[in-house]
Amino acid sequence: DGGITQSPKYLFRKEGQNVTLSCEQNLNHDAMYWYRQDPGQGLRLIYYSQIVNDFQKGDIAEGYSVSREKKESFPLTVTSAQKNPTAFYLCASSIRDRGRTEAFFGQGTRLTVV
Amino acid sequence: QKEVEQNSGPLSVPEGAIASLNCTYSDRVSQSFFWYRQYSGKSPELIMSIYSNGDKEDGRFTAQLNKASQYVSLLIRDSQPSDSATYLCAARRDSSYKLIFGSGTRLLVRP
Repeated sequence: DGGITQSPKYLFRKEGQNVTLSCEQNLNHDAMYWYRQDPGQGLRLIYYSQIVNDFQKGDIAEGYSVSREKKESFPLTVTSAQKNPTAFYLCASSIRDRGRTEAFFGQGTRLTVV
Repeated sequence: QKEVEQNSGPLSVPEGAIASLNCTYSDRVSQSFFWYRQYSGKSPELIMSIYSNGDKEDGRFTAQLNKASQYVSLLIRDSQPSDSATYLCAARRDSSYKLIFGSGTRLLVRP
């Protein structure tokens, strides 16, 4: 089955630790995205990537880093510089076609700082 | 002004009624719009996309785009309790691949 896989589903981080969230897709999509969702809020864009080895900051990139070494993978690292990292993290992907740009989401990773 | 704005709700409708969800957008977003449904604790799922002015129908769902007034709406006919969820409006920012979301409207369908 084609889809987007995020892991782990739940993640606990201690203060001061870096953690990496995995996102893998087998849809052959060029574009990939990371969003953060806080309780009762909409989605805020952290980073996005249109092609391999290229990515751009979204609206709330501070305290996060990404890489895009393979088309299928777009991992997100939440660094210790992110002061309030507890949130629901969503990865999405879409084809790179201005005429048809629906994005599809993985199941999400719920990160909690303990 | 936010690029994509939605009323947070909740919007409460009786079962079988038409639910109307609205979204307004700024000049910074392009003409590609999407409606997603999100159940509590789950990830968003795509319901409709609309790219041109007018209506687009898919089953019980109709998306409407009015470029002159800068709004996009989603109508849900014959609403069911299972339609109770948060509905997110999204748009592409300008000519980029950035996908920007509104804060969502919570819909409650009363049995």
